[in-house]
Amino acid sequence: GAGVSQSPSNKVTEKGKDVELRCDPISGHTALYWYRQSLGQGLEFLIYFQGNSAPDKSGLPSDRFSAERTGGSVSTLTIQRTQQEDSAVYLCASSVYGEAGKLFFGSGTQLSVL
Amino acid sequence: RKEVEQDPGPFNVPEGATVAFNCTYSNSASQSFFWYRQDCRKEPKLLMSVYSSGNEDGRFTAQLNRASQYISLLIRDSKLSDSATYLCVVIVDSWGKLQFGAGTQVVVTP
Repeated sequence: GAGVSQSPSNKVTEKGKDVELRCDPISGHTALYWYRQSLGQGLEFLIYFQGNSAPDKSGLPSDRFSAERTGGSVSTLTIQRTQQEDSAVYLCASSVYGEAGKLFFGSGTQLSVL
Repeated sequence: RKEVEQDPGPFNVPEGATVAFNCTYSNSASQSFFWYRQDCRKEPKLLMSVYSSGNEDGRFTAQLNRASQYISLLIRDSKLSDSATYLCVVIVDSWGKLQFGAGTQVVVTP
């Protein structure tokens, strides 16, 4: 498909386990964002990749969270030693360089930490 | 103070009526503004950009007030399908980092 793809769509894990969330952006989109959204809340910025520049990690809530983007395309968000408060929908979005406000979102990964 | 603030609502609007709501931003250097729409349990989708001179897209009108640092969205002739949460988005730096408001919920009733 031509849209942003995220996997898995749902992830249930036990407290203390590590999880990896994947995002495949639209081909040619140089900017990639990760956000998370708790039920009934707004979007919380996590991390931003723009081309080959160093990512803006200012939104990562703790050192248990990390993300990488390989080859300027696919990105993986890793959460180590998951906690119950990590439960949320994790959304990935991408955009074309120069059109930062025009994001295309994936359908998200619903993470549930038991 | 949050960088981008919105009235969470809900705004309960009779079908066919007009509804308007604002979004305030704290960074006076912000240059670009957008409205997104998010349906329940769905991802946000771009509704429209907000231009300095104001712009219209069908029943939707967006305005920017730089002096008072807010943007607005007006929906005319509301439809049931307009029920959603409307997110204000501001580009806060030259690198393109976006800041989302928490959203304004609109409920259009028959």
